Amino acid sequence: QVQMVQSETEVKKPGSSVKVSCKASGDTITSYTITWVRQAPGQGLEWMGRIIPILGTPNTAQKFQGRVTITADKSTSTAYLDLSSLTSEDTAVYYCEGWSGASSIWGQGTMVIVS
Amino acid sequence: QSALTQPASVSGSPGQSITISCTGTSSDVGGYNLVSWYQQHPGKAPKLIIYEVTKRPSGVSDRFSASKSGNTASLTISGLQADDEADYYCSSYAGSSSVLFGGGTTLTV
Repeated sequence: QVQMVQSETEVKKPGSSVKVSCKASGDTITSYTITWVRQAPGQGLEWMGRIIPILGTPNTAQKFQGRVTITADKSTSTAYLDLSSLTSEDTAVYYCEGWSGASSIWGQGTMVIVS
Repeated sequence: QSALTQPASVSGSPGQSITISCTGTSSDVGGYNLVSWYQQHPGKAPKLIIYEVTKRPSGVSDRFSASKSGNTASLTISGLQADDEADYYCSSYAGSSSVLFGGGTTLTV
């Protein structure tokens, strides 16, 4: 069974950066479009961006342009979300979703705490 | 770009049907047949239940159905069950390779 396995909880200082990973277990990541979504405590979902690993070109929400880098490593079937200049407002659970055209697989979420 | 508009909460009794609306603009919901719906139980990752306005992924109950008219999409859940109690989010492609989410609707059964 294919899973998207995310990295563990991160605690970061304001002004620093965080890199969250999302590994496709049981399949190659090139079979999916990977989307990153975050959810602040008690809040709704927020679309951050996505990448089609087989093509390599990411799209990032305008709000995060200049602060977010989305990449994928085909050799390890892993996608990454890099978020810089962290503030307390970036405290959230970060999810990756793999979409293959008819099925959607979500990671378990990665908590990022900025404090 | 503003978030899509959903009611904050809806409720229904077991066995009944409910409908959740998702209102956008002609630049997002009304402009593309790329509306999705997600179910999220507390402390869990979201689950895709509808994509491309009306399509259900494999394994999703046919009690979930959806439609779109103009700038408003709708999710209907029939035969409500206790396990349907969750938060529901709509999303839509909004052009320029961007996606918008709705603010979410809490369903109480």
